[in-house]
Amino acid sequence: QSALTQPRSVSGSPGQSVTISCTGSSSDIGDYNYISWYQQHPGKAPKLIIYDASVRPSGVSDRFSASKSGDTASLTISGLLGEDEADYFCSSYARGNIVLFGGGTKVTV
Amino acid sequence: VQLLESGGSLVQPGGSLRLSCGASGFTFDSFAMTWVRQAPGKGLEWISTVTGSATKTYYADSVRGRFIVSRDNSMNTLYLQMNDLRADDTAKYYCVKDLLRNRLLYWSQFDSWGQGTLVTVSS
Repeated sequence: QSALTQPRSVSGSPGQSVTISCTGSSSDIGDYNYISWYQQHPGKAPKLIIYDASVRPSGVSDRFSASKSGDTASLTISGLLGEDEADYFCSSYARGNIVLFGGGTKVTV
Repeated sequence: VQLLESGGSLVQPGGSLRLSCGASGFTFDSFAMTWVRQAPGKGLEWISTVTGSATKTYYADSVRGRFIVSRDNSMNTLYLQMNDLRADDTAKYYCVKDLLRNRLLYWSQFDSWGQGTLVTVSS
């Protein structure tokens, strides 16, 4: 049950775009479309911002977009705002009926 | 939707603790419920899931055989019985709700989170 692999940090200037990768294997990301992304501000609970690999829940800004290719999922934040500064976690359903999370990526604006 | 965890505290290694999560604002028995934990300064870790009707339970290897997830649908409450606690179980424990109703599998997209309850395992 290895965690998914994310970069520890990414940074960008206001208005720019950043992309966070999330690498798994053929037993998780490569085999399922049940990939989610969560945003977590310090001291707060995580918030679902993407599900089914690329779907935004109602109320989530369209500046957040995501995709999947093979064993890797990606989250892109466009038009960076100060409020986007947070930790971002990917997750995937995995073989054996488990859920794997990535280690998290700190986004600095 | 509201999820309110309770029961976290300081416990000695080898001890036991039961966490509870009171739910409101949705049809509790229609959704799989999950416990996710986060060690201080660390990432998220899936711990355990129970289906809506409580017919199926699932565990991470790190807790299987020590933790038991259950639910009381008449009380809209989720539980996590934690036994043989170890230092590396120290974390904030979140109660989370599945995005879609009536899933027996693929219950891995969590649209509502509680604020968490802190469990500290230390002598």
